[in-house]
Amino acid sequence: NAGVMQNPRHLVRRRGQEARLRCSPMKGHSHVYWYRQLPEEGLKFMVYLQKENIIDESGMPKERFSAEFPKEGPSILRIQQVVRGDSAAYFCASSMGPNTEAFFGQGTRLTVV
Amino acid sequence: KNQVEQSPQSLIILEGKNCTLQCNYTVSPFSNLRWYKQDTGRGPVSLTIMTFSENTKSNGRYTATLDADTKQSSLHITASQLSDSASYICVVSESSGTYKYIFGTGTRLKVLA
Repeated sequence: NAGVMQNPRHLVRRRGQEARLRCSPMKGHSHVYWYRQLPEEGLKFMVYLQKENIIDESGMPKERFSAEFPKEGPSILRIQQVVRGDSAAYFCASSMGPNTEAFFGQGTRLTVV
Repeated sequence: KNQVEQSPQSLIILEGKNCTLQCNYTVSPFSNLRWYKQDTGRGPVSLTIMTFSENTKSNGRYTATLDADTKQSSLHITASQLSDSASYICVVSESSGTYKYIFGTGTRLKVLA
């Protein structure tokens, strides 16, 4: 049973390009959470999704950021027109339910040049 | 405002020594408190989880304590090993049913030979 899989591990984008971060939850997990970790800061909640539904996106920036978790396939965090301030580590976690233990992936380190 | 503060920010100890990391939180209402270990370039891995009614929880050489009255927790590491070098993050969950973890910024521990 593989853990939470995120890819790519490292992503470099030029300003103005789009970044797509993927997260495959653990087998049997239907709840996915995305967090962002800026340098020297703690992880910050971005969005919580269940299959085909966004439950809470209160931590997502209002513009340029979107997330989905389709019926089939991984969850995707999409950042349009990236800026230097988007450079961070983006972590995905998954759980069986909202009150159960969440397990984290290895993260995707996005660098905007 | 819900916050989790950790101290010290960083710590260097010699292999074999013990150390204690501190966590103060203002999260209310409180559901549970977790300690995570995050190796450089990896995702957080859970060490312990404590609910309101628990005072102490051990996991091998890691022992966590919780004082819900003073809203303080500590993580004690016994007989440190080189592999303990990592960031240790205190994470507090709001009342049951809420998935939004509040992360501390972590204590960076370096164990030297």
